[in-house]
Amino acid sequence: SAVISQKPSRDICQRGTSLTIQCQVDSQVTMMFWYRQQPGQSLTLIATANQGSEATYESGFVIDKFPISRPNLTFSTLTVSNMSPEDSSIYLCSVRQGAGEKLFFGSGTQLSVL
Amino acid sequence: SQKIEQNSEALNIQEGKTATLTCNYTNYSPAYLQWYRQDPGRGPVFLLLIRENEKEKRKERLKVTFDTTLKQSLFHITASQPADSATYLCALGGDSSYKLIFGSGTRLLVRP
Repeated sequence: SAVISQKPSRDICQRGTSLTIQCQVDSQVTMMFWYRQQPGQSLTLIATANQGSEATYESGFVIDKFPISRPNLTFSTLTVSNMSPEDSSIYLCSVRQGAGEKLFFGSGTQLSVL
Repeated sequence: SQKIEQNSEALNIQEGKTATLTCNYTNYSPAYLQWYRQDPGRGPVFLLLIRENEKEKRKERLKVTFDTTLKQSLFHITASQPADSATYLCALGGDSSYKLIFGSGTRLLVRP
């Protein structure tokens, strides 16, 4: 199984600022995913981070708001830009290992925007 | 559009009883269905996967059923323990897509 370190675990930010969340995996993985989990709601996929190419964003999410980096097969960052209170949520990174269907998740980043 | 429904109300049961959680879906024909456990402040943890051609899957005290006609999965925890208290998420996946679609989860509370 993959072990994922995600940081920060939580942060309180001011409106209009940006926060970068880091995700480090203990093994090389092809696909890394970034999810958002708003209170009482399901996990919503933001984007798929592919090494060596641009991230693939889901409907409703854009690169200018959520830029993603994937410099190698074990690391990715998600930036939440120009934050507003509506961005307050839990952000989770996850990976698949090999051809398996199950996902491994980081512990999440609890973001509060004032 | 695709929709997954899990009971938003918490399930409150006595220790030792069987907990049964429900996952219903519409407008989707998943190739497989997964169940995850999520504790407060933690990411989801994979529990079980069941494929469309399987009726039932077991793992220790856990049992999952999958009825593609009813478009429903049931998740059972037998001999429940307070340590089983958590939120349980179901997720659907298809062979043609790497993406999972998650339900919003059901919170389980097991009283000692």
